[in-house]
Amino acid sequence: AQSVAQPEDQVNVAEGNPLTVKCTYSVSGNPYLFWYVQYPNRGLQFLLKYITGDNLVKGSYGFEAEFNKSQTSFHLKKPSALVSDSALYFCAVTPGMSSSNTGKLIFGQGTTLQVKP
Amino acid sequence: GAGVSQSPSNKVTEKGKDVELRCDPISGHTALYWYRQSLGQGLEFLIYFQGNSAPDKSGLPSDRFSAERTGGSVSTLTIQRTQQEDSAVYLCASSPMGQAVHEQYFGPGTRLTVT
Repeated sequence: AQSVAQPEDQVNVAEGNPLTVKCTYSVSGNPYLFWYVQYPNRGLQFLLKYITGDNLVKGSYGFEAEFNKSQTSFHLKKPSALVSDSALYFCAVTPGMSSSNTGKLIFGQGTTLQVKP
Repeated sequence: GAGVSQSPSNKVTEKGKDVELRCDPISGHTALYWYRQSLGQGLEFLIYFQGNSAPDKSGLPSDRFSAERTGGSVSTLTIQRTQQEDSAVYLCASSPMGQAVHEQYFGPGTRLTVT
């Protein structure tokens, strides 16, 4: 079965410190991986994606993520956290290129990021 | 340009009533997805449209749930005989094509409360 795990319900970090939000996945084939962010009472907002190529992908608001195939991980990182980064973060996966892949996303349970001043 | 819009933003209904939730995708996006976000189940896929057809309905939890899309644009998710376990936020997303390489653009959601 295809699945995504975000092992931490909450991550706390001080403003200005680096942050990491963890994600591991289980999917057949070469996966496509995504990170989305959700602010209170808002829909999900796309941050970044890995399709192929360079394992380090850069996205919006200074976020980046590293694809590690051997560890089946796609951790989200930012060198210096801001209070405004506080939100709910979702990792998502879809199986890679195939005629049957409709693009539907399988989401992790979400990780709440709390950045304190 | 305009993003994905959903209406109503909030809906409170009594158990047993039918409800309709509407989604207006980004203009020109041929792929449309419905997801449900609930405390117990997290974010789960419901149905996928490519144009007006729904090649993947695998996430619909029961036959009380149905959806349609007309004109390759607006979609309506209908829940018949609502139950308390249907209470959740229903999210709609669209993307340029139903291909996995494209990110999806989400609407703000409809919060459904069944009393």
